[in-house]
Amino acid sequence: ETGVTQTPRHLVMGMTNKKSLKCEQHLGHNAMYWYKQSAKKPLELMFVYNFKEQTENNSVPSRFSPECPNSSHLFLHLHTLQPEDSALYLCASSQERGGGVGNEKLFFGSGTQLSVL
Amino acid sequence: DQQVKQNSPSLSVQEGRISILNCDYTNSMFDYFLWYKKYPAEGPTFLISISSIKDKNEDGRFTVFLNKSAKHLSLHIVPSQPGDSAVYFCAASGSTNAGKSTFGDGTTLTVKP
Repeated sequence: ETGVTQTPRHLVMGMTNKKSLKCEQHLGHNAMYWYKQSAKKPLELMFVYNFKEQTENNSVPSRFSPECPNSSHLFLHLHTLQPEDSALYLCASSQERGGGVGNEKLFFGSGTQLSVL
Repeated sequence: DQQVKQNSPSLSVQEGRISILNCDYTNSMFDYFLWYKKYPAEGPTFLISISSIKDKNEDGRFTVFLNKSAKHLSLHIVPSQPGDSAVYFCAASGSTNAGKSTFGDGTTLTVKP
């Protein structure tokens, strides 16, 4: 299997549920990301991990909790979400070379379409 | 304030003609620009990019033009094909980390046979 794989593809959850989104990349990349796409809004960066270390949290509410156990896997743990959190959640990876030479393109998974009831 | 804007939510063109998708940005620190294409039920896929040291980059039917003074870039698709029908996102980056790209809202392109 190649590329970036996200599971599940669809998720419906109540506001009191706890669920997790999973992402796996098979590209040997060293950086992984969570993006959120709400209806009629641009993609919003949520979290960035470089070499398993979180390097950015873009003012995301604490009901979203990321986890990166290794450079190939990324999770997004969800708890007590609100209906307005319903959106498409996209995982992406890239190979960051640093030193000003970066600007690598992102490789995205197919996303998890989340509905919070 | 949205730093990357795609002012046309949709565009419809006839097969074989040129498609021109536009993107404007406000942050002069952006120095790398990318276009992504997204089909329904799939994640975005990289299409073409351009560095701020260039004003044009071409890859087959796709050409991206950058006008730094106007803070404007455009994607030209010639000739357009029905399989090009998708949502096109413009993205801009000012750091060495591609993941920190700022995205536009997207333009839905429909190419009619």
